[in-house]
Amino acid sequence: GAVVSQHPSWVICKSGTSVKIECRSLDFQATTMFWYRQFPKQSLMLMATSNEGSKATYEQGVEKDKFLINHASLTLSTLTVTSAHPEDSSFYICSASPGWGNTDTQYFGPGTRLTVL
Amino acid sequence: GESVGLHLPTLSVQEGDNSIINCAYSNSASDYFIWYKQESGKGPQFIIDIRSNMDKRQGQRVTVLLNKTVKHLSLQIAATQPGDSAVYFCAEGRYKAAGNKLTFGGGTRVLVKP
Repeated sequence: GAVVSQHPSWVICKSGTSVKIECRSLDFQATTMFWYRQFPKQSLMLMATSNEGSKATYEQGVEKDKFLINHASLTLSTLTVTSAHPEDSSFYICSASPGWGNTDTQYFGPGTRLTVL
Repeated sequence: GESVGLHLPTLSVQEGDNSIINCAYSNSASDYFIWYKQESGKGPQFIIDIRSNMDKRQGQRVTVLLNKTVKHLSLQIAATQPGDSAVYFCAEGRYKAAGNKLTFGGGTRVLVKP
């Protein structure tokens, strides 16, 4: 149980285009979903927290107009990188929290490798 | 700000030996801690977690130890196998606080030698 999927697993796009990444919780309802980015050989950096039906909460320094997050249902959240540039190239990972028990454990998706040319 | 950090960036271990991965945290208000394993090109995989009111928890071949006095967390892997080669992250969180966010440490790479 607690499986999270992401689509696509990798994407290559031209500079200036927008890219949408989907995150789905397959066998549980996620009250909260999180979006991270990870550069090579570095740790995960939280970008934003999204709750179903409400606006996402962005971390300091993350441009909300550039990284659009929509959490339309309890099983789906999307991250849209608008007007992508080469510096946006990174590994984007989502996680979902079912809110079971007390630890609020986050279960991670497999990640999406974005390369902007 | 508060952070979770690791002492050793890379750990080489002989196959069959035990591995110990250490993590220091600075937020004394943390309620729980989680260890994740990340293989190359994949998302983090949950290994084990521990609440702050515990000092030890065991899973299959893994044991997590928590020392709140010195704010130290460790992950022990028994009889390390080649499939254990990965980057391991510790993370800390607080119950229903700060949006249930996790703070991740810098990661330790474990290399298992045959």
